[in-house]
Amino acid sequence: QQQVKQSPQSLIVQKGGISIINCAYENTAFDYFPWYQQFPGKGPALLIAIRPDVSEKKEGRFTISFNKSAKQFSLHIMDSQPGDSATYFCAASRGRGNSNSGYALNFGKGTSLLVTP
Amino acid sequence: GAVVSQHPSRVICKSGTSVKIECRSLDFQATTMFWYRQFPKQSLMLMATSNEGSKATYEQGVEKDKFLINHASLTLSTLTVTSAHPEDSSFYICSAGGPSVRVDYTFGSGTRLTVV
Repeated sequence: QQQVKQSPQSLIVQKGGISIINCAYENTAFDYFPWYQQFPGKGPALLIAIRPDVSEKKEGRFTISFNKSAKQFSLHIMDSQPGDSATYFCAASRGRGNSNSGYALNFGKGTSLLVTP
Repeated sequence: GAVVSQHPSRVICKSGTSVKIECRSLDFQATTMFWYRQFPKQSLMLMATSNEGSKATYEQGVEKDKFLINHASLTLSTLTVTSAHPEDSSFYICSAGGPSVRVDYTFGSGTRLTVV
């Protein structure tokens, strides 16, 4: 059962445009929501993450918007560049809780982003 | 800091043989390691959780006798795919964490397993 639903499955954006990827979750125990970027043949790399006590977090060109009541969060990539072309995964976990190192991630199905020149 | 090294990056093996994949934390103590499997153009699915010095905990549907996990030290966890079959061909990825590093922060670079 997919605990995190991600859309769209694929996305084509022109260089300089805004890429928007959406995710939704059901489990209210989730309290940590990271986004990952993955290039072919590589492991995922953490881009940015948010906790539900804030509605928005921005790091450079990447912004997460979080709507706790709707149980939705989204990634915005501003001024998208061809080098941003990759697969993006949203994820959710219970954060650290009682664990020193954190809990396993529940990943969305991924969005394949292509930024055209 | 917080580097996780995974080896090998790519392996091809014959059906029926066993393959070992290593996941090492290079600059921190990894009390917990997660092993994920990713099929082409699919998401990462958690296979098992390993805690140093303890038996691994497997997710539902993952055969523990087929996917042997050993986490005998604070810097190394291994996944052994036993009696591999073509349907085991996949991309295997580990992540590691400990008191100073979140386990969802650092992933290995993955191992592409092809069983022929």
